[in-house]
Amino acid sequence: DAGITQSPRHKVTETGTPVTLRCHQTENHRYMYWYRQDPGHGLRLIHYSYGVKDTDKGEVSDGYSVSRSKTEDFLLTLESATSSQTSVYFCAITEGNYGYTFGSGTRLTVV
Amino acid sequence: RKEVEQDPGPFNVPEGATVAFNCTYSNSASQSFFWYRQDCRKEPKLLMSVYSSGNEDGRFTAQLNRASQYISLLIRDSKLSDSATYLCVVNIDTGRRALTFGSGTRLQVQP
Repeated sequence: DAGITQSPRHKVTETGTPVTLRCHQTENHRYMYWYRQDPGHGLRLIHYSYGVKDTDKGEVSDGYSVSRSKTEDFLLTLESATSSQTSVYFCAITEGNYGYTFGSGTRLTVV
Repeated sequence: RKEVEQDPGPFNVPEGATVAFNCTYSNSASQSFFWYRQDCRKEPKLLMSVYSSGNEDGRFTAQLNRASQYISLLIRDSKLSDSATYLCVVNIDTGRRALTFGSGTRLQVQP
């Protein structure tokens, strides 16, 4: 399997605090994505990146920002966490064939 | 209306049964199609791509009907290990290679 890791695996944070999730890949893939998964909604795209410093918004980007300063790292930041951002966050990578490889996910709880 | 719709199930079937899932998509410009499998509290994993001519991988057969905009997955001789959620996935925007996911159909295979 492709080398992709997410950290942390679990996090509990308080409303109003900033939170950063990290996605790290060892495959040198160009495309990286952040999704969130919630019951009844499936996976929804937050942000994606098509290269270093090249990012764009997905369908549910409000309240989130991203950065990609190196090919291997894609960071997702919740600027001021809210309870509606309690979710499971998945990072994914792909290169050319449209099939994704996902990280193991981060379970975030905002209290 | 969701861009990719699936029956959430659950489908409860005995071992050895044949089960079929359908999925409909709303954007006629969709280019690529996939089925992913997701085990409980795990990341999604690519099960198979779906081609216009239909394709088979062991006990799994995928079909695409572009005219009616639906995708199907047939599982023959169900195993206990097939119990999972099956996600129908469509690539609607080839520019950013971002996939759109259905909410999934849950399958429970019973002994």
